[in-house]
Amino acid sequence: KNQVEQSPQSLIILEGKNCTLQCNYTVSPFSNLRWYKQDTGRGPVSLTIMTFSENTKSNGRYTATLDADTKQSSLHITASQLSDSASYICVVGGNAGGTSYGKLTFGQGTILTVHP
Amino acid sequence: KAGVTQTPRYLIKTRGQQVTLSCSPISGHRSVSWYQQTPGQGLQFLFEYFSETQRNKGNFPGRFSGRQFSNSRSEMNVSTLELGDSALYLCASSLTRTEETQYFGPGTRLLVL
Repeated sequence: KNQVEQSPQSLIILEGKNCTLQCNYTVSPFSNLRWYKQDTGRGPVSLTIMTFSENTKSNGRYTATLDADTKQSSLHITASQLSDSASYICVVGGNAGGTSYGKLTFGQGTILTVHP
Repeated sequence: KAGVTQTPRYLIKTRGQQVTLSCSPISGHRSVSWYQQTPGQGLQFLFEYFSETQRNKGNFPGRFSGRQFSNSRSEMNVSTLELGDSALYLCASSLTRTEETQYFGPGTRLLVL
C-alpha cells in the first residue's frame, strides 16, 4: 500500500531558528515528490517539486532534499518567520496515464508554529 | 491574473441531500483536480479532469461525481450526503497534465448535519 509518513506531527520553534521536517514514503512507481504549505483556512501552496533525478531544490528560505534510494525527503526552513506557521504537507506522485495527479499520496502534514 | 475560485465557500446540508460545488480554474488552465481534506484522513484525491474528460478517479464511492465544461470550469456533485462527507473540498488547476505546479483554490467547507 502506498504511504507517506511525516514527522514530527507538530513542531514549535522560535522566530529566527531553523527547522527540518521529514517525509518517508513507500510509493511505487515513483514520479515526483512535492512539498506544500497550507495556511489555516486556505488551500495548499506548492513550495517545491522534485523528480527522481533531483536531490535538492530550493525556494527562498525553503530547501527540500530527496533521497530516492532510501525514499526519504526533508524540508529545511532557514531563519524562520512568524508567517511560516502553517501545515507542511509532503505529497508523492505515482504515475497514471502520463500524469502524476491521479496517483498522489498525501502525508498527514506537520504543523509548524513559530513563536516570537 | 485571478487565482482558482471555488463557490460556495461554506455550505451546510443535512444527511440524504445532495450538493454541487463549483470550481473556476486559472485562465488558460485545462486540468482540474478535486481533493477532500478531513482532519482524520488528510488530503485525498477525488478525481482529475482534462479537456472535459475524467482522466483519473480516487477511491471514493459513486456518490461522488464531477464534470468539466468546455471553458474548463468544473463541478463536483455528492449525492445522498453522509455525516462523513463533512470536509474541506479543494480544487486545483494546472496548465496541462504534465509535471507542473498545481494551484489550489481556497476550498469549500461542507458540513453535513
